[in-house]
Parts: sequence; structure tokens; C-alpha cells
Amino acid sequence: NAGVMQNPRHLVRRRGQEARLRCSPMKGHSHVYWYRQLPEEGLKFMVYLQKENIIDESGMPKERFSAEFPKEGPSILRIQQVVRGDSAAYFCASSPPVGAANEKLFFGSGTQLSVL
Amino acid sequence: AQSVAQPEDQVNVAEGNPLTVKCTYSVSGNPYLFWYVQYPNRGLQFLLKYITGDNLVKGSYGFEAEFNKSQTSFHLKKPSALVSDSALYFCAVRDGSSNTGKLIFGQGTTLQVKP
Repeated sequence: NAGVMQNPRHLVRRRGQEARLRCSPMKGHSHVYWYRQLPEEGLKFMVYLQKENIIDESGMPKERFSAEFPKEGPSILRIQQVVRGDSAAYFCASSPPVGAANEKLFFGSGTQLSVL
Repeated sequence: AQSVAQPEDQVNVAEGNPLTVKCTYSVSGNPYLFWYVQYPNRGLQFLLKYITGDNLVKGSYGFEAEFNKSQTSFHLKKPSALVSDSALYFCAVRDGSSNTGKLIFGQGTTLQVKP
């Protein structure tokens, strides 16, 4: 059973370009979470999605950032017009339904975004 | 709103000695508490969780944690540290009475185990 798959592992963009980060949850999981990790900081929650729905986007910056989890295919975190401050490791996690006995977050290996 | 505090940026212990990584939390409802470990350039790996029941929770790699409601703490412990335990450790909390599985993480504590 494959774990949470994120790609690419490393992404380099120039200022003003767009970054697209992909996440395929574990088989059978329909809940996806995105977190951002900056150097010397912990993981900051960004957004929580279920299939075709954004449930909680309280951690998303108001501009340039968006996320989706379509009915088919991976979840996408999209950053438009990237700036140097967007450089960070972005982690995706998936989980079984909330309240399940085995509930916990399973993390991918992350995408390291570097903005030149 | 939930929050987690890990008061130590780094903990240093000698191999074979017991270790403790501290965590305190704040949550309005029932606390669901988790510990994760992160090795360099890797994602987070689940160690253990407390949902309900026995206050002492045992997890992976010989780690355990004790839930203390009165002190709102969930410290991570191991009786005998290994060099391979050196990593970044995160405590996390969620409100068990909510319908979201979103976890709030602490800042992380770097554990260094020296031979």
C-alpha cells in the first residue's frame, strides 16, 4: 500500500512564476491536509480538503495561494507569482475519516520549493 | 483555538540515558495528542497518540508519552536513548470534539543523542 506521494521533491522557480505541487493521498483516504515548514519553524497548517471541497483554508495566505482536490487525480497546491518568501518545504498529509479508530495523519516526503 | 508549546529548541542526552521531550497544549474541547518524528529531508513519521483511556501511551521505537490533564502536558519519554533517535520531534494537538482532523503542531524539538 503506497504511502502519500508528493511530487516534485524539489522545485525551483524564479520570482513571478507559478508553482504547482501535487499530492496523491494514501489509498482509501479522502482527506488531505497541506502544511508549510519554514527553516527554524514548525509546521504551519495551510488548508484541509476533502474530495471536491475545501473544508478549512484558515491557514492559506489571502492572495496567490490556492488548493484543490478534484474528484479524480491528485490534490494540487498552486502558488502564483512566487516570491522569495515562499521558499519552504511543503508537506501534504492524508487521513482516514475523522473519528476512525486509526485516525492520524500520514505525511508525504514533501516538496522543497526554492524561489530564485 | 488550539496551541502547542515545546519549550526546548534542543535536548541533548548521552546514549543509554533516559530522555524527555516536553510538550504542553491548550485546547477548548477534548485533547487528541500526537507525537511525530522527522528525519532530515523526510516527512513526518507517526510515533504515538493519546485519544482516551490510559494516560501512559506506548508507541513506536520504544517511545512513550504521559498525558497529564491537570498540567496540560504530554511529554515524550524513552528509558534508554539511542544515537539513531537523533531527529526533530513534533508534538501536535487537535480538538477531539471538532469534526476536522486538522493538527496544530508545536515548533519542534531537536533531539541530539551523543555516543
